Amino acid sequence: AQTVTQSQPEMSVQEAETVTLSCTYDTSESNYYLFWYKQPPSRQMILVIRQEAYKQQNATENRFSVNFQKAAKSFSLKISDSQLGDTAMYFCAFISSGAGSYQLTFGKGTKLSVIP
Amino acid sequence: DTGVSQDPRHKITKRGQNVTFRCDPISEHNRLYWYRQTLGQGPEFLTYFQNEAQLEKSRLLSDRFSAERPKGSFSTLEIQRTEQGDSAMYLCASSSGTGAHEQYFGPGTRLTVT
Repeated sequence: AQTVTQSQPEMSVQEAETVTLSCTYDTSESNYYLFWYKQPPSRQMILVIRQEAYKQQNATENRFSVNFQKAAKSFSLKISDSQLGDTAMYFCAFISSGAGSYQLTFGKGTKLSVIP
Repeated sequence: DTGVSQDPRHKITKRGQNVTFRCDPISEHNRLYWYRQTLGQGPEFLTYFQNEAQLEKSRLLSDRFSAERPKGSFSTLEIQRTEQGDSAMYLCASSSGTGAHEQYFGPGTRLTVT
């Protein structure tokens, strides 16, 4: 079974600064995908960024980028130029691309507060 | 593209009552998922449909829970004889089943069992 661990329950960052959220995972699969989702207060889950395990290049989406270390099973999210709208719960998630199972396995989340 | 929608957004029920939730996926998506999220936790997988076929169920899905997806379009999740432990946010997601299998979530139905 896959597990996803987010070791930082809460973090805060000053507006316009950079923050990194950590995520580690455990799997015996070789083909899989990793995601970061954002859940603002009382609002729905939004996909932030995805990473295919077979790609060595780290994914980037505007101010969001990841540091994917496959051997270390680490998948951190970097948010640059933090904005007040980035305040949310951030969930790291894993999905295997094999064995026909398409369920997402989530970590417990990191609550990020952006301070003006 | 109107996104994933869920109805109702909030439901308060008394213990022992039955409740039913509805999810309408993104129109061209053939995969539909149900998750449950309790306070301070990440979502936990409940069940998954490809078109009208229910292909996977979690052990979290007790006999009191049943899900359907007639005609491969919208889906319903029914909880019979609700218990206080069923209080949670029930999330629906859909995906196209191609590419990175990314799932797009609806706003959720918050269930409170009194």
